[in-house]
Amino acid sequence: DAGVTQSPTHLIKTRGQQVTLRCSPISGHKSVSWYQQVLGQGPQFIFQYYEKEERGRGNFPDRFSARQFPNYSSELNVNALLLGDSALYLCASSLAVANSPLHFGNGTRLTVT
Amino acid sequence: AQSVTQLGSHVSVSEGALVLLRCNYSSSVPPYLFWYVQYPNQGLQLLLKYTTGATLVKGINGFEAEFKKSETSFHLTKPSAHMSDAAEYFCAVSDPNTNAGKSTFGDGTTLTVKP
Repeated sequence: DAGVTQSPTHLIKTRGQQVTLRCSPISGHKSVSWYQQVLGQGPQFIFQYYEKEERGRGNFPDRFSARQFPNYSSELNVNALLLGDSALYLCASSLAVANSPLHFGNGTRLTVT
Repeated sequence: AQSVTQLGSHVSVSEGALVLLRCNYSSSVPPYLFWYVQYPNQGLQLLLKYTTGATLVKGINGFEAEFKKSETSFHLTKPSAHMSDAAEYFCAVSDPNTNAGKSTFGDGTTLTVKP
């Protein structure tokens, strides 16, 4: 089975622009989460979606938004990009049970100049 | 609220030596605990997890970890390091009342293995 896939793998944007990142979960996984990983730090939780509804939101500004589609794929949108948004954005899928671990994609490396 | 502290951002061992990566957590409820490994330019992969039951859990590639509630610790060990173990390791905690989708991660420990 295919793992979690993310696109694009790399992206360079200018301050003030908008970006959309995409994620396809493992087949059968209905929960998708987004994490931001800044160099030298652990992943920071941004959003969790389950059954197309937001189930959790981390401490990120309203410039960050996401959605989940009927096929459980997901998009993360970031508006008005800042230099500090430069990071690796990780998508993870999981079964909707408490002891199910996260399955991560390889991430999208976003550079804001 | 939950938090994770990984003591030592960098650990260096010789090939064949014991690997010990430290993780302490804070949680208001009995937590679920995870160790993930990240190789360069890749996402995180699960090494092992503790949810309930036996406090010593075994994972892939010869790694194991022991949940010690009294010490709020979940240290990762491997008896004999291999060159292929060089990577970054993350400890994570989640609330059993929700699910692992919202996990809290430590800042990671980079493991270097010297020949």
